[in-house]
Formats: sequence, structure tokens, C-alpha cells
Amino acid sequence: DIVMTQSPDSLAVSLGERATINCKSSQSVLYSSNNKNYLAWYQQKPGQPPKLLIHWTSTRESGVPDRFSGSGSGTDFTLTISSLQAEDVAVYYCQQHYHIPYTFGQGTKLEIK
Amino acid sequence: QIQLQQSGPGLVKPSQTLSLTCAVSGDGVSSNSAAWNWIRQSPSRGLEWLGRTYYRSNWYSDYAVSVKSRITINPDTSKNQFSLHLNSVTPDDTAVYYCARGGLSWALDCWGQGTLVTVSS
Repeated sequence: DIVMTQSPDSLAVSLGERATINCKSSQSVLYSSNNKNYLAWYQQKPGQPPKLLIHWTSTRESGVPDRFSGSGSGTDFTLTISSLQAEDVAVYYCQQHYHIPYTFGQGTKLEIK
Repeated sequence: QIQLQQSGPGLVKPSQTLSLTCAVSGDGVSSNSAAWNWIRQSPSRGLEWLGRTYYRSNWYSDYAVSVKSRITINPDTSKNQFSLHLNSVTPDDTAVYYCARGGLSWALDCWGQGTLVTVSS
């Protein structure tokens, strides 16, 4: 199985500041036939299911604010929130959506400083 | 708008079978561009993908090795829903269970509301 490791485990950022979450996979999630990295990011708030924010590393879902962006390739990926808003407080997960079984990172808890 | 509505018991006795259903609206379980997944979440295991079923001229299923001997995911095209059956459960199977749709990229773009299933006598 591909192991997904996120850092940090928790993060406190001031409102309006940048938040950066990292994710590393134990194997490449690049699918050579379409040159896409199958890495997704989810946001989970208490009592709710995870919500897909980004797939294929950097493709934002419809309705997701453009302050959320994803980058990376191969085994190293980053989720960036350019200007933290109060409603962004949540746990964030990365997931590789290429190899079966799909696997998730352990989560990064994002709070307001 | 695609919606997934879960149903099933919240308490299952050890050694029995956990059964949950996910009713789909706004899409078809026989869609050639979607897959239908079950995931669970617990403090000890985090988010754990359990398996999926999907239709590409034929029905296919994939399961996590950790539950492969105990799990079945079945589509029900007449009711546009899919189900999870996990047999021989133990307290270690206690978790919040989610159904979710995998879209064109296979990422999980729509989730059910979640069902807390407790395994206890």
C-alpha cells in the first residue's frame, strides 16, 4: 500500500496569513498515460464528512475558493491557503486516488493563531 | 445535484454482519464514469478506504486487503443504491462509515452523511 505522510500534524496561522500543508507519498502517484498526479485534498469539519477540495494535484472542485491551491509532483505535494479565513478551520487530508487501495494521510489540524 | 443518503443500524453485535445502504440521487450507479465507494473513519485507523464497485460494461469490485475476506459491496440498479456488508465484525470495526462517489478522476467528490456503527454486545 502507498503510505501518505502529512506534515505538520497541526498548524496555527493568523487570519489573513498563508497556511501550507505538506504531503509525501511512499511511491509515485503519477499516471504516465495522462501525465497526471493522482493526489487529492479534502477538508473535514467536525461532524461532517470530508469535502473534496482539489484532485489531480491542482484541479479545484467547483465552488472551492481560489485561495486554496495545490501543487507538487511525483511524491511531494502541497496544499496552500493563501489568506486564511475563519471558516477554513478544519482538518485537512491528502489522498492518493491512483493505486488500489486508496490511502489517506493522517490529517493536519488547522487552527487560528 | 448528486446526493448520497446512508441507512442502516448503528449497533451490531460481535461476530454478526454489518450492513449499510447508500441511496444515490442525481446520478446512476450504472454510470460509466463513476465508482461507488465505502470508507470508514476511526481515531485508531484514521480514514480507511474499504472498497468500491463500478460499471464499465460489466460490474467490477475492488476491496482493501485488510477486509477482503469479510466484505461485499453490491449495486442495486433497481433502487439506484449500493450496499456494504462486512461480516464477522469485532469491536475493532467500530467506526463512522461513509459512502462516496468516485468521479472521473476517481477522487471522492460526493459523500454520504456518515453512520456511526458500534460493535458491541
